[in-house]
Amino acid sequence: SQTIHQWPATLVQPVGSPLSLECTVEGTSNPNLYWYRQAAGRGLQLLFYSIGIDQISSEVPQNLSASRPQDRQFILSSKKLLLSDSGFYLCAWSLGLLSDQPQHFGDGTRLSIL
Amino acid sequence: SQQGEEDPQALSIQEGENATMNCSYKTSINNLQWYRQNSGRGLVHLILIRSNEREKHSGRLRVTLDTSKKSSSLLITASRAADTASYFCATHHRYSGAGSYQLTFGKGTKLSVIP
Repeated sequence: SQTIHQWPATLVQPVGSPLSLECTVEGTSNPNLYWYRQAAGRGLQLLFYSIGIDQISSEVPQNLSASRPQDRQFILSSKKLLLSDSGFYLCAWSLGLLSDQPQHFGDGTRLSIL
Repeated sequence: SQQGEEDPQALSIQEGENATMNCSYKTSINNLQWYRQNSGRGLVHLILIRSNEREKHSGRLRVTLDTSKKSSSLLITASRAADTASYFCATHHRYSGAGSYQLTFGKGTKLSVIP
């Protein structure tokens, strides 16, 4: 069966520090991968999606970047964190953007910027 | 702007009662999906209904879709305390005319089931 792992679960970082959040998927090949951010009491905002290795699409201009160095690894990064980067970050995978397949989410990373 | 908007924002019911949540959207869709999120956790997919379907059941869940009104509802029957969570609708739709499709989530309905 397929599983998705995100780490760390929580992170407290000072303003201006770098960020690296990692997501890995097991049990499937060539998944579509997504990074979302969820502000408190709000819906999900799609940040990045990837249909393959080194193929990243950005949805909103921001202080963050994403990379996919391996088929089942998706990394969210920042060189210098801002206070506005605080939030709950969720990674997800699916089989095919054009299909009826649902998205499967990790348990998220709670990021607090001080 | 958000494609899907849930209503109500919050709902509190007694255990055993039915819970109904609604979702409205703006553009044509391929399918509409409902997800559940327990506090501090990731989202879990509940049910998917295609644009050519009108109703779908899964256990205690019943989903309807009215494409003419661009709306959907999620009914949870005989609710349990363990159903307490936030519920999100998400629309699968063509994105930016670029030939790609995306899944756009609403802000969710927070359901509290009181034992």
